[in-house]
Amino acid sequence: EVQLVESGGGLVQPGGSLRLSCAASGFTVSSNYMTWVRQAPGKGLEWVSVIYTGGTTHYADSVKGRFTISRDNSKNTLYLQMNSLRAEDTAVYYCARADDSSAYELDYWGQGTLVTVSS
Amino acid sequence: DIQMTQSPSSLSASVGDRVTITCRASQSIRSFLNWYQQRPGKAPKLLIYAASSLQSGVPSRFSGSGSGTDFTLTISSLQPEDFATYYCQQSYSTPLYTFGQGTKLEIK
Repeated sequence: EVQLVESGGGLVQPGGSLRLSCAASGFTVSSNYMTWVRQAPGKGLEWVSVIYTGGTTHYADSVKGRFTISRDNSKNTLYLQMNSLRAEDTAVYYCARADDSSAYELDYWGQGTLVTVSS
Repeated sequence: DIQMTQSPSSLSASVGDRVTITCRASQSIRSFLNWYQQRPGKAPKLLIYAASSLQSGVPSRFSGSGSGTDFTLTISSLQPEDFATYYCQQSYSTPLYTFGQGTKLEIK
């Protein structure tokens, strides 16, 4: 069974850092496109970042230069390192698998982890 | 960047109703259009991929159609568990997975 479990969220001050983790089971992270999507309180979904099977990474303009997506193949885990955090980064962060054999749809999602940036 | 516009933003309907939600892309995305359902406090769930393919395990009352710039999600007979927010998403111009703003489906 495919499962994604995020962790690492919490309260952080503006300018601070946080690292989110997404532990995967039932499939191999490095063999799939993996993404992070976030949702600010009461708002819609916003794509944040993707890492391809070959290791290429891309970011939304809103987080470029501050966030870094990575993976640990030995732990089958996806990460999002978030630096220079701002109030507008407050959101629930979801990791999701993209099916690159089809239409790159996000077919499996984690339960989400809440990041709150506030002083 | 490709912009995705959903309509309506909210919709009131009754159990048993047929409902259609529309999603328009700012440029052609061929059939790279996906639909998700999100219930309050839960992660999004994939319903339809590649514009019209039903994700495994999703009830057949859900269907999708369209190509190019105009797409629709139809629920043929609303059930109580279908009251949720629905999002379209383009996956044509990866890596930018643009989402629509969402359509909140409420009970009338």
